[in-house]
Amino acid sequence: QKEVEQNSGPLSVPEGAIASLNCTYSDRGSQSFFWYRQYSGKSPELIMFIYSNGDKEDGRFTAQLNKASQYVSLLIRDSQPSDSATYLCASRGSNYKLTFGKGTLLTVNP
Amino acid sequence: DAGVIQSPRHEVTEMGQEVTLRCKPISGHNSLFWYRQTMMRGLELLIYFNNNVPIDDSGMPEDRFSAKMPNASFSTLKIQPSEPRDSAVYFCASSTGAGRAENEQFFGPGTRLTVL
Repeated sequence: QKEVEQNSGPLSVPEGAIASLNCTYSDRGSQSFFWYRQYSGKSPELIMFIYSNGDKEDGRFTAQLNKASQYVSLLIRDSQPSDSATYLCASRGSNYKLTFGKGTLLTVNP
Repeated sequence: DAGVIQSPRHEVTEMGQEVTLRCKPISGHNSLFWYRQTMMRGLELLIYFNNNVPIDDSGMPEDRFSAKMPNASFSTLKIQPSEPRDSAVYFCASSTGAGRAENEQFFGPGTRLTVL
């Protein structure tokens, strides 16, 4: 069974701090990894994807991938209250199928 | 572009009734996905279509579930008969292709189904 594990949270950080969201995956054949943000009652929207070991930065967001440890993370710098949402980690192997974690609820306190 | 369109947005029905969920993918997208989201199981892929052809339906929970894509702009997910455990949010997503990391899946607003 291919699994993606995330802490359900909630993760609470003060405004302006760095939020660190973590994810592990079981399928060593996974090739690419995705972070989706989902506001309460809304649909998931893609924030970033990564498929190479190391860091990938996009604005305030940095995705980190360590394939040896089967570990993916998302850092959000200068966290804002508008970042409060559930963050879903997903992996994909050589085919099309995304396997999602259950998500981490992030709360950014003003 | 209007994005992925789903209808209805909310559906309340009684156990045993037939439920049909509808999806219009983004124009030009050739891949369509149906997902189900619950608190217990998270977001699960039910079925994937490519160029209107079902490629993988291994996520469809049982024979009560069926999906069709008669043309590039329309898909349905049908549950017959419905059961209370089918209560969930059902999302439709589309993309320009499924094989590359760059091919983002765009999600519709979802249909919240409640089976009493």
